[in-house]
Amino acid sequence: GENVEQHPSTLSVQEGDSAVIKCTYSDSASNYFPWYKQELGKGPQLIIDIRSNVGEKKDQRIAVTLNKTAKHFSLHITETQPEDSAVYFCAPSKGGSYIPTFGRGTSLIVHP
Amino acid sequence: SQTIHQWPATLVQPVGSPLSLECTVEGTSNPNLYWYRQAAGRGLQLLFYSVGIGQISSEVPQNLSASRPQDRQFILSSKKLLLSDSGFYLCAWTPLGDTQYFGPGTRLTVL
Repeated sequence: GENVEQHPSTLSVQEGDSAVIKCTYSDSASNYFPWYKQELGKGPQLIIDIRSNVGEKKDQRIAVTLNKTAKHFSLHITETQPEDSAVYFCAPSKGGSYIPTFGRGTSLIVHP
Repeated sequence: SQTIHQWPATLVQPVGSPLSLECTVEGTSNPNLYWYRQAAGRGLQLLFYSVGIGQISSEVPQNLSASRPQDRQFILSSKKLLLSDSGFYLCAWTPLGDTQYFGPGTRLTVL
């Protein structure tokens, strides 16, 4: 099965700084790379995703970059705000797979 | 648009009591359905998934069970709760094994 590692486990930044979270995976057949955000007491929600035919995708302050050769992808958040404070999960998968593999999560804390 | 519901939102149960958590999805047909548990800390533990009515796959052997009596209904049950069953239970659905769409969750406390 897929082996997924996510780093760092905790990330503390000042408001306005950038934050980067990295996810490494083992299955070279993986072709779907999402990031989820979980706010306290709520279910995770998709914030951005990328497929294997694209190297980078941006959506306002967030971006995801993919390095298929090295088997890792990263979440980038610029100009962080206190409302970005949450736990972030990666969950790489391949088409047709019913069983997702989530990273262990990264707790992002943005200090005002 | 699709919507996923879970209830109850919170539940406090004594050890040894039964459990029934319900999840329903609206606005789609034949979704893949999942139950996760999130204990203290952050990890998402996959408990069960279902690709169709009456089809249940278990990922972790334990005192929990799942059923899918209707296409868009997924139920998590237990005959006798343990202290270790406490946690945040999340239902999710996905079209064709792609993006996971999570429900609001049920906070279960076993005393």
